[in-house]
Amino acid sequence: SQTIHQWPATLVQPVGSPLSLECTVEGTSNPNLYWYRQAAGRGLQLLFYSVGIGQISSEVPQNLSASRPQDRQFILSSKKLLLSDSGFYLCAWSVGDRGRETQYFGPGTRLLVL
Amino acid sequence: DQQVKQNSPSLSVQEGRISILNCDYTNSMFDYFLWYKKYPAEGPTFLISISSIKDKNEDGRFTVFLNKSAKHLSLHIVPSQPGDSAVYFCAASAPYGGSQGNLIFGKGTKLSVKP
Repeated sequence: SQTIHQWPATLVQPVGSPLSLECTVEGTSNPNLYWYRQAAGRGLQLLFYSVGIGQISSEVPQNLSASRPQDRQFILSSKKLLLSDSGFYLCAWSVGDRGRETQYFGPGTRLLVL
Repeated sequence: DQQVKQNSPSLSVQEGRISILNCDYTNSMFDYFLWYKKYPAEGPTFLISISSIKDKNEDGRFTVFLNKSAKHLSLHIVPSQPGDSAVYFCAASAPYGGSQGNLIFGKGTKLSVKP
């Protein structure tokens, strides 16, 4: 069966510091991978998606970036965090044609920028 | 512009009764719809989905109804249980068009099931 891991579970970082969140998927090949953010009291906002190694699409202009160095690894990064980057970050995977597939979410990372 | 709307931020239901969660959408290109359940500090869990070729899909206590003409879908939970208390997100996608295959989420409805 497929599993998705995210770490760390919780992170407290000062403004201006770098960020690296990691997501890995097991039990499937060539998944579509996604990064979402849920800000307090709001819905899920898609940040990035990837349909293959090295292929990244950005949905929202911001100071975050994403990379996919391996088939089942997706990394969310920032060189300098802003206060507004605080939130709950979720990684998700799916297989199949985008637009008609179910996405499955990881446990999430809670980021607090102080 | 919000393409997927969940107009009720919260809903309270007695245990054993039916919970009905509603969702409206504006993009006529959407043809695949999903419901997710989310507990605090956890990732959303997939519950049930429906494609636009159907108007109903049932899985145990959960049934999703789709009314394409009204651009409306609903999730029915019968009977409701205290463990169903969570935030429920409606999501929709289209394989082509402006959203380009992305899942578009509503803002969620917090369901509280009282014992």
